[in-house]
Amino acid sequence: TQLLEQSPQFLSIQEGENLTVYCNSSSVFSSLQWYRQEPGEGPVLLVTVVTGGEVKKLKRLTFQFGDARKDSSLHITAAQPGDTGLYLCAGVQGGSEKLVFGKGTKLTVNP
Amino acid sequence: DSGVTQTPKHLITATGQRVTLRCSPRSGDLSVYWYQQSLDQGLQFLIQYYNGEERAKGNILERFSAQQFPDLHSELNLSSLELGDSALYFCASSVRGGRAYFGSGTRLTVV
Repeated sequence: TQLLEQSPQFLSIQEGENLTVYCNSSSVFSSLQWYRQEPGEGPVLLVTVVTGGEVKKLKRLTFQFGDARKDSSLHITAAQPGDTGLYLCAGVQGGSEKLVFGKGTKLTVNP
Repeated sequence: DSGVTQTPKHLITATGQRVTLRCSPRSGDLSVYWYQQSLDQGLQFLIQYYNGEERAKGNILERFSAQQFPDLHSELNLSSLELGDSALYFCASSVRGGRAYFGSGTRLTVV
């Protein structure tokens, strides 16, 4: 059983469209991180959310942490081909330092 | 460039063999994490070391072992390799539970 479920698994859209990807769990996390991974590279941190209900914006990307700190979403406005990649959410539980990852959403933005 | 160096980048070996993957963390980072990424399981936490001591263990097989040396570099040893061990192996480092920086990974193919 995957602790963090990400949806959709695959998403293919046209340049300029908006999209939202989700990261859900039945467990509470002390923080949740979003990463983007490109082929042949390791994941790169985009954002960390810590407080329930927190919203963070990074240019065209908006990240939200659920009130109960069990889920999160990533919204991209006016997607561009450069946004193509694997988006991973990862949670930290309690006093642990290890990251628990979802399986990711593979996003393709077509020109 | 994350500052985390992993070698080798690619490794092809036969079943039953043993390999060693190497990771040099970012300068100043005391924590090293090892992850395995496969298509069906996503990124799975294997083990964490902090300043030479094992700190947390995840889904690491008994055939796998790791260590962190006094100069803080880490090695992941995989023995009695099976076809199912073929995967990307990532190392990440952090100061201590803070932002984790990932290397570019070692792609292991067992034939």
